[in-house]
Order: sequence, then structure tokens, then C-alpha cells
Amino acid sequence: AQSVTQLDSQVPVFEEAPVELRCNYSSSVSVYLFWYVQYPNQGLQLLLKYLSGSTLVKGINGFEAEFNKSQTSFHLRKPSVHISDTAEYFCAVSEFDDKIIFGKGTRLHILP
Amino acid sequence: NAGVTQTPKFRILKIGQSMTLQCTQDMNHNYMYWYRQDPGMGLKLIYYSVGAGITDKGEVPNGYNVSRSTTEDFPLRLELAAPSQTSVYFCASSYQDRAGYTFGSGTRLTVV
Repeated sequence: AQSVTQLDSQVPVFEEAPVELRCNYSSSVSVYLFWYVQYPNQGLQLLLKYLSGSTLVKGINGFEAEFNKSQTSFHLRKPSVHISDTAEYFCAVSEFDDKIIFGKGTRLHILP
Repeated sequence: NAGVTQTPKFRILKIGQSMTLQCTQDMNHNYMYWYRQDPGMGLKLIYYSVGAGITDKGEVPNGYNVSRSTTEDFPLRLELAAPSQTSVYFCASSYQDRAGYTFGSGTRLTVV
């Protein structure tokens, strides 16, 4: 069965510094991978997704993620964060048209 | 384009009361989902539907019921509310899993 592990529950980062949010998954078949963002008191919004093809996926707000099949990872990165990036980020996986399973989330705290 | 609309946004229930959380989408999506979100626990799937007249249990269905009489609406019913049902509830829809989900803004429910 598929599962998702987000290794960090909270990540503090100084403004304008780079950030990486880690995500590992387990699955015995091909998967689709997603990152969602949840701003305070809002629903989840799709940041980016990997379905197939290029392993480097670019999303909204300057975020990107890289699919690494050998390490079963899908880490999210941004070269320079802003205060407005303060949010909770969820990694998610779907086994070929099955329901999406979400990780427990990583809270990104931007320090001034 | 409204997307996924959830009502109410907030509700306080007494133990043993019942209520219905409303969810409507205007994107003609066949797939609809109900999740609950608890701090540090990510999102847990309660029920889902792949089309009008078809519903199925997710990971945590106990204490809840759903119906799907139309493509647009997917109400979640709580019978005999319990403190363990205090949570934030999100409705989501999609036309297929690989597309990712569109989420509503959530209903914050407190059972006292």
C-alpha cells in the first residue's frame, strides 16, 4: 500500500534563504506525486504535480520539486523564500488513478 | 467560477446533536471527497464518490454518512456528534485523480 512520509513537521527559514521540504513515499507501482500548500485558515491549493516525463517539476510561486525514483523521494525546493510563503505544505501520492494519500504536513516558518 | 463551496464555515455542536455539512462544486467533476484535518495528523479520508449515486468509505468513516444524488452536491452527515469529531472538514473534487484535487475552504466543527 502507498504511504507518504514528510520528515520534518516544522521548518524555520530566514527570509530570502533557500528551503527544501522533504518527502518520501512508498509504493510498489508507478505513482503520481503532488505538493499542496495550505495558507492559514484556508483550504489546500495545488502547488505542483509529477505525472511522468521530466523529473524536475516547476510549480506556482517559484517552487519546484524533483522526482527521484531510486530514492523514492519528491522534495520541494525554493531558492529564496518570502514571508508570504508561511504556510503548511503537504506532499501527496496516488497510485495510478487511485485516491490521493496525503502526508502529515510540514509547517514552513519564515523568520525576518 | 466558484469551485468547491462548503457551508457552514464554523459550527459548534453539543454532544449527541446531528448536522449536515454541505459541499457543492460547479466544475462538473465526477469525483468528490470528504476529509478531516486534525493538527499534526494531515488529512484523513472519510468518504468519497466517483459519480452520482455511488459512494464508498474511506479511512475513517465511522460516525458519518454521505449521499450523492447529483453531480454537484456531496453532503456529509454527522449523527450523534461526539467530541472526537471536533475537526476541520474539507470537501474536494476532481475529474480524475492524476489532475489533483480542488478543495473547499473548510468547515471548522467543535463538539462540546
